[in-house]
Amino acid sequence: DAKTTQPNSMESNEEEPVHLPCNHSTISGTDYIHWYRQLPSQGPEYVIHGLTSNVNNRMASLAIAEDRKSSTLILHRATLRDAAVYYCILRDVGGSNYKLTFGKGTLLTVNP
Amino acid sequence: DGGITQSPKYLFRKEGQNVTLSCEQNLNHDAMYWYRQDPGQGLRLIYYSQIVNDFQKGDIAEGYSVSREKKESFPLTVTSAQKNPTAFYLCASSYRSLYNEQFFGPGTRLTVL
Repeated sequence: DAKTTQPNSMESNEEEPVHLPCNHSTISGTDYIHWYRQLPSQGPEYVIHGLTSNVNNRMASLAIAEDRKSSTLILHRATLRDAAVYYCILRDVGGSNYKLTFGKGTLLTVNP
Repeated sequence: DGGITQSPKYLFRKEGQNVTLSCEQNLNHDAMYWYRQDPGQGLRLIYYSQIVNDFQKGDIAEGYSVSREKKESFPLTVTSAQKNPTAFYLCASSYRSLYNEQFFGPGTRLTVL
């Protein structure tokens, strides 16, 4: 699996937008970019995924660079419930490997 | 309500004992997975199963065993051969397509004394 690089931690204020970056300079053409988040003492939950175009859903937006070597997860208005570890994961759909490879992620702290 | 259940939430065992962690899903997913998480670390894949009666080793399968006799169930046994079994264990399931998200259970925190 191609590797991703994320900052160890970020801080935000409540009701402000948050931009969580992810670098993946060795991404291949068949790698989808997935984001999951993990609240304290819980299992991870899916946030969003994309291939080339920017994506929006009810939880977040995903902005993908034109060369696909980086992406940004955008939380439009952070709430205290968004405090979690956010994982950026590349998933190769060109093969048969079903696993998700989790790194250490970014710990997001949201200040009231 | 559809979802994944893991039991128990906390489990304590003495060193040298085998222990089985339960994972059940009612999402009609074909694929199921077991991950291990150590403090401050990401998740690592132990075993996964794409269909009933079939499973494959993940990155850290040594000292673990699984079975997949029913679509809904994927129990994980932590054997005495696992050198450092104390960890947070997470079960997940998904449809077989690689495009699909994985749904995770609440996890079981195993402590071996």
